[in-house]
Amino acid sequence: DTGVSQNPRHKITKRGQNVTFRCDPISEHNRLYWYRQTLGQGPEFLTYFQNEAQLEKSRLLSDRFSAERPKGSFSTLEIQRTEQGDSAMYLCASSRTGTGADIQYFGAGTRLSVL
Amino acid sequence: GNSVTQMEGPVTLSEEAFLTINCTYTATGYPSLFWYVQYPGEGLQLLLKATKADDKGSNKGFEATYRKETTSFHLEKGSVQVSDSAVYFCALSDKNPGTASKLTFGTGTRLQVTL
Repeated sequence: DTGVSQNPRHKITKRGQNVTFRCDPISEHNRLYWYRQTLGQGPEFLTYFQNEAQLEKSRLLSDRFSAERPKGSFSTLEIQRTEQGDSAMYLCASSRTGTGADIQYFGAGTRLSVL
Repeated sequence: GNSVTQMEGPVTLSEEAFLTINCTYTATGYPSLFWYVQYPGEGLQLLLKATKADDKGSNKGFEATYRKETTSFHLEKGSVQVSDSAVYFCALSDKNPGTASKLTFGTGTRLQVTL
């Protein structure tokens, strides 16, 4: 169990550029979640996958955001045409169903700065 | 919708002082409740949880009791240490299978413990 891994840890980009983040969940965890955390706030849910199926998306996830989990293992989150308001910490979490309270384990996050 | 309200920080305490961080929630049904901790530069870590009314979660000297009548889940520790300095997040997940246990977080409370 090596924990949830997110790459890159930091990303600086110019407004209008596209960015992609990767999340590698804990092996054998079938659920994968994306959250966004802005300064001084708690994380906010964006979307989640069960295996390779994306089953729920928040209203926060505009059309410029897309997430995939093609083989039910790692996931990517892409933001197209970035805006300054996209600057935040993007957190990934994973969990395994059937383990009681469905405890989510978080990665260290990818901090995005849009200039 | 679901929501979590935490006391605002920062909370500054001397080592060995008693800690209380208040958390109240609004949810439909009977959610699971969590406290997560975020140390500087690290990801969110689960500190403790409770899944039903009157359950007490505990870990590393921290405790919180699920109070349905007051919709609260206050975090307590009898004697804090400098190493407890971190940001603490209260969170809930409802048990509706359709929402897949996505977490709703409070805004976080920063704890600073001094010698």
